[in-house]
Amino acid sequence: DADVTQTPRNRITKTGKRIMLECSQTKGHDRMYWYRQDPGLGLRLIYYSFDVKDINKGEISDGYSVSRQAQAKFSLSLESAIPNQTALYFCATSDSKQGPTETQYFGPGTRLLVL
Amino acid sequence: AQTVTQSQPEMSVQEAETVTLSCTYDTSESDYYLFWYKQPPSRQMILVIRQEAYKQQNATENRFSVNFQKAAKSFSLKISDSQLGDAAMYFCAYLGPGYALNFGKGTSLLVTP
Repeated sequence: DADVTQTPRNRITKTGKRIMLECSQTKGHDRMYWYRQDPGLGLRLIYYSFDVKDINKGEISDGYSVSRQAQAKFSLSLESAIPNQTALYFCATSDSKQGPTETQYFGPGTRLLVL
Repeated sequence: AQTVTQSQPEMSVQEAETVTLSCTYDTSESDYYLFWYKQPPSRQMILVIRQEAYKQQNATENRFSVNFQKAAKSFSLKISDSQLGDAAMYFCAYLGPGYALNFGKGTSLLVTP
């Protein structure tokens, strides 16, 4: 089984709909992240959480919200989806106990299309 | 804010040959970490190699190695003996103290037989 899972893997929705993307991990990591990937722009950070009670905005948080339900679960919500939120979304985790060599591990991605 | 620049949108290499992908970054920090991630058509982000800024020795992982020039803020990836399975998007990324990754825009690598 994969260490970092994302559901759904693909989603089509309409403008104005609320949608939630879920991320779960079995790696026991304390830190979790949500990134967005657009063609030609690389990955950009939406939100990150260093533990259950610590949630922070990233570079492009407008239009998104998150919830860290447990150490292993980190959900991303689009309250009212718009077409320019069409993108590939990645969840990632890392372990702060690794210290200086903290590496982020990525889920398989969720492809979202907003019509 | 830290920025990561990959100046080569696309690169091509013949099988068994060597190719170098470029990456530069901008930071005022002295301690940080640099990564190369590979994204094949499956979309999965796969860690290729990482480098700690405090280490002078260049990191190596099998056919993959880096040329880390701290003063020049340069972090290039060399792929030796290229294989068809190396075809992918390659992203350079920077990790500063206590924060998340900053990615470059990527380089698409084509491997020809």
